[in-house]
Amino acid sequence: GQNIDQPTEMTATEGAIVQINCTYQTSGFNGLFWYQQHAGEAPTFLSYNVLDGLEEKGRFSSFLSRSKGYSYLLLKELQMKDSASYLCAVSDSNYQLIWGAGTKLIIKP
Amino acid sequence: IAGITQAPTSQILAAGRRMTLRCTQDMRHNAMYWYRQDLGLGLRLIHYSNTAGTTGKGEVPDGYSVSRANTDDFPLTLASAVPSQTSVYFCASSESAGEKGTDTQYFGPGTRLTVL
Repeated sequence: GQNIDQPTEMTATEGAIVQINCTYQTSGFNGLFWYQQHAGEAPTFLSYNVLDGLEEKGRFSSFLSRSKGYSYLLLKELQMKDSASYLCAVSDSNYQLIWGAGTKLIIKP
Repeated sequence: IAGITQAPTSQILAAGRRMTLRCTQDMRHNAMYWYRQDLGLGLRLIHYSNTAGTTGKGEVPDGYSVSRANTDDFPLTLASAVPSQTSVYFCASSESAGEKGTDTQYFGPGTRLTVL
């Protein structure tokens, strides 16, 4: 079956750095997405990786290793507004997104 | 620019009733999707449409139907609601799907549905 694993919850301190991991096993691979979802709101797009390596976008970076079925989202200089759930999703061989359950990130002052 | 709108925002429904959740996008996207989101689970695809006039079944289609008469609208109908359909429903759209590659999906604000 298809499976996306990510930690259920993480806690970090304002101003620090946090890394959220995602491992996947899917039938085919056409890219990996990270979305941010604040409580009670819709998911919003953060990043897309289809090739191995690191993609940097401001305070957020996303890394992909296709051979290891692994990705991480790196958040730097954490702000209170970064408290949210972070969703990992993989586009499978049919170009449908398979979603992880999400990682709830709690930022403490 | 509205993006994607959904209606209603929330609804409490008696079991056995029929309900249609509305979704409209103004981005002229070809592909549209309906997901449900339940606590502790990832988003699960109910139905999708790669282009106007076509629809397909996702991971959890039972009890739901969709239609895609035009590019902008993609309503989701629960013919006879059951309590297990209590969930948050998100509509999403992307510029294209399938053979044209992997496009970013953009989400509407969601509909919170409670079936009693």
